Amino acid sequence: DGGITQSPKYLFRKEGQNVTLSCEQNLNHDAMYWYRQDPGQGLRLIYYSQIVNDFQKGDIAEGYSVSREKKESFPLTVTSAQKNPTAFYLCASFGEYMYRDSVSNYGYTFGSGTRLTVV
Amino acid sequence: KQEVTQIPAALSVPEGENLVLNCSFTDSAIYNLQWFRQDPGKGLTSLLLIQSSQREQTSGRLNASLDKSSGRSTLYIAASQPGDSATYLCAVPPGSARQLTFGSGTQLTVLP
Repeated sequence: DGGITQSPKYLFRKEGQNVTLSCEQNLNHDAMYWYRQDPGQGLRLIYYSQIVNDFQKGDIAEGYSVSREKKESFPLTVTSAQKNPTAFYLCASFGEYMYRDSVSNYGYTFGSGTRLTVV
Repeated sequence: KQEVTQIPAALSVPEGENLVLNCSFTDSAIYNLQWFRQDPGKGLTSLLLIQSSQREQTSGRLNASLDKSSGRSTLYIAASQPGDSATYLCAVPPGSARQLTFGSGTQLTVLP
């Protein structure tokens, strides 16, 4: 089945350490996104990429970096410059998907998320 | 900049009730509108997607409507069940930018 895989599910980071969150999709979607979700708050856009080898900053890009070397992969690195990285991180893609198993439509698909905690 | 508001922020209903969740957006030049469900600690599951040219979409007990001119969408859940308990989010991309803007969600609790 097509979808988005995020790994790991849980990640612990020490102070001053860089960590990388993985996001892989087999939906053949061009556009991919990273969102951050904090308790009681909505989702905020970190970075997005509309095509391979191109990406744009979202609303809260400081302290994060991304790469898009392959269509299927959009890893997010949380650097030591991100002062409050503890959050739930969600990866998404946009493109054609099968709606109710038979109707083609264009929409967003999300991964199951990575919970990052600073220890 | 697109802003999305969801009302109410939280809702608790007894099992079997029909209910309506509301979503409003400020920029009517939208590509589509999507409703998602999020269970605690989980990712988002797409429930319904309405193209800008459509008025509503139905899936099982769920019906979503879209009124672009007034900047509103509603999600109607018929005969609610405890398994419907989750946070429901609406999201809209502004025009062709395809960057989702989310509402803060409605946390639904269906009591058995």
